[in-house]
Amino acid sequence: EADIYQTPRYLVIGTGKKITLECSQTMGHDKMYWYQQDPGMELHLIHYSYGVNSTEKGDLSSESTVSRIRTEHFPLTLESARPSHTSQYLCASSINRGTDTQYFGPGTRLTVL
Amino acid sequence: QKEVEQNSGPLSVPEGAIASLNCTYSDRGSQSFFWYRQYSGKSPELIMFIYSNGDKEDGRFTAQLNKASQYVSLLIRDSQPSDSATYLCAVNPSRGSTLGRLYFGRGTQLTVWP
Repeated sequence: EADIYQTPRYLVIGTGKKITLECSQTMGHDKMYWYQQDPGMELHLIHYSYGVNSTEKGDLSSESTVSRIRTEHFPLTLESARPSHTSQYLCASSINRGTDTQYFGPGTRLTVL
Repeated sequence: QKEVEQNSGPLSVPEGAIASLNCTYSDRGSQSFFWYRQYSGKSPELIMFIYSNGDKEDGRFTAQLNKASQYVSLLIRDSQPSDSATYLCAVNPSRGSTLGRLYFGRGTQLTVWP
């Protein structure tokens, strides 16, 4: 089981603010992912990374950006938050071998007023 | 066509019954298959994965894979009210450029009533 952490767990912020959602894992996993999920809806992949300095956009068009400077850290940044960004953001990681089982962090619930 | 299809439910079973959850996928070369459980407001947690045809059992849970028919199912025996959650099916596709990412279904909501 992976140890994967997300902060903050809850965030309420005003429109136009810059925010960074933190995600860290202590298992040395190569791959990390960001998903967006609205209540009762499916997971949408917004960004993923196969390793340090490797990032890719996912399926869902997103105004967010990510970076992967260290293996354990994969922050997601919104330069200018809007009410349409209100959602749950889930970070996950997997090791680069075998079945690529993904383990999820607890999530950040973001509300933009 | 979506990569992974699930019946969104809701599926409602009495306590002690067998709950059967189904999932179909479009990529015939898919390699590994996962079932996650997600309680309301929480993040998904892994129940089990399977990558060979046939059955795989873990406690009250059994995953079944049929690659020829492109479906995977999850059986929950002796269902408990604590099993009430949304169950997500996820598939690791075969395409080289996306190896490692998973495609998730929308999930099936299960309610176990006492």
